[in-house]
Amino acid sequence: GESVGLHLPTLSVQEGDNSIINCAYSNSASDYFIWYKQESGKGPQFIIDIRSNMDKRQGQRVTVLLNKTVKHLSLQIAATQPGDSAVYFCAENMSGNEKLTFGTGTRLTIIP
Amino acid sequence: EAGVTQSPTHLIKTRGQQATLRCSPISGHTSVYWYQQALGLGLQFLLWYDEGEERNRGNFPPRFSGRQFPNYSSELNVNALELEDSALYLCASSLAGTSGASGELFFGEGSRLTVL
Repeated sequence: GESVGLHLPTLSVQEGDNSIINCAYSNSASDYFIWYKQESGKGPQFIIDIRSNMDKRQGQRVTVLLNKTVKHLSLQIAATQPGDSAVYFCAENMSGNEKLTFGTGTRLTIIP
Repeated sequence: EAGVTQSPTHLIKTRGQQATLRCSPISGHTSVYWYQQALGLGLQFLLWYDEGEERNRGNFPPRFSGRQFPNYSSELNVNALELEDSALYLCASSLAGTSGASGELFFGEGSRLTVL
C-alpha cells in the first residue's frame, strides 16, 4: 500500500546552521507533496508544497527538492532559528484522491 | 479571521464508551478532514466531508463515523472505545476539496482523547 516514510526520526542542528530533512515515498503515482511543521501542542502548519512537474521550489528560508527517479523529497531550512524546532511531516497525494498521506515525522531540535 | 476550531481540547473516556468530537472549519471552507495522530506517530487519514457528504474514508473500522452539518461544521463519533483509540484527533479544512489539487489543509489544534 501507500507509505511515506522519513529516514531519520530526530535531527539536532546548531542555531544558524542549515538543516535537511529527508522523506521517501513509495507511490510513484503521487504528484503533489507538502511539508508541514507541527509545534508542540499545536496542529500541523503548511510550510511549502511542490508538484511533480517541478524538482525544486523555494520559499522563505525553505527549499523543497523532489527527486522522482528515486522517490525522494527533502526540506532544506536555511539559517535555522530556535523557532524552527518542531516535528516536520512530509505528505503526498495523487490528483483526484483528496487524501493526503503523511509520514511519521522528523523531530528537529535547534541547539542555541 | 478565526482558524479551524475543535472541541473539546481534552476528553477522557473509558473502554466501551462513545466519544464525540467537534470541528468548525475556516469561514468559506466547505471541506473538512479528520486525522488521527497516535503518540509519536504520523497522521492517519480518517474521513473527508465536503458539502455535507462523506467523500472518502481511511482504513478505520465502522465505529469511526461522522457527519457534516449545513454550516460545514463536523462531528467525529467513535463508538465502543478501545484503549488504542487514545490519540490526538485533528480536524482540517480546505476550500472545496482542493487539498490534493492545489491547496493546503488548515489544521485545528486537535482534541486529545484518552481512553482508560
